[in-house]
Amino acid sequence: DQQVKQNSPSLSVQEGRISILNCDYTNSMFDYFLWYKKYPAEGPTFLISISSIKDKNEDGRFTVFLNKSAKHLSLHIVPSQPGDSAVYFCAASGHSGGSNYKLTFGKGTLLTVNP
Amino acid sequence: DGGITQSPKYLFRKEGQNVTLSCEQNLNHDAMYWYRQDPGQGLRLIYYSQIVNDFQKGDIAEGYSVSREKKESFPLTVTSAQKNPTAFYLCASRSGSLNEKLFFGSGTQLSVL
Repeated sequence: DQQVKQNSPSLSVQEGRISILNCDYTNSMFDYFLWYKKYPAEGPTFLISISSIKDKNEDGRFTVFLNKSAKHLSLHIVPSQPGDSAVYFCAASGHSGGSNYKLTFGKGTLLTVNP
Repeated sequence: DGGITQSPKYLFRKEGQNVTLSCEQNLNHDAMYWYRQDPGQGLRLIYYSQIVNDFQKGDIAEGYSVSREKKESFPLTVTSAQKNPTAFYLCASRSGSLNEKLFFGSGTQLSVL
């Protein structure tokens, strides 16, 4: 049973436009959400996170929105750049820093930004 | 430089052979994790350890074993019982603070000969 879902395997956008990556979750105990970026044959790198007490978090070109009632979050990248081309993973945790802290990942979305 | 080091980068396993993937961190992090990535499958948790000498099974622990004898090290053994070991293996660590993010190593690609 997939608790974190990224239903779009891939997304293609033009340079300079907005990229919107979506993520849905089913576990109502999740209270902390993260986005990671991954290049082939490398480890994921952290991008941005959001706690369930917020509905928006912004860091430069990256903004994450959280809609708890819909169990949905999205990552907005504006403006998109060719270097943003990578796989983006959504992740969630349900025990904030506690003894059973672990991240559950979605399957990822491959973003391609065309020059 | 502080970070997580995984070795080797590429590893080949013969039938019936156990292989061990190394993960070392000098970030002074308490918690360490092993994930497996298969094409189109995302990252799935194998084992994790919150403190030295303690570890818990993740979602796909069968055919794997770990140890945590030192804070800095969390080796993963892929045993002959793991029938589909070909995957990209990722080690991660976390400081243990509230909601602290995971830091990942660069991964090990394991293939079966």
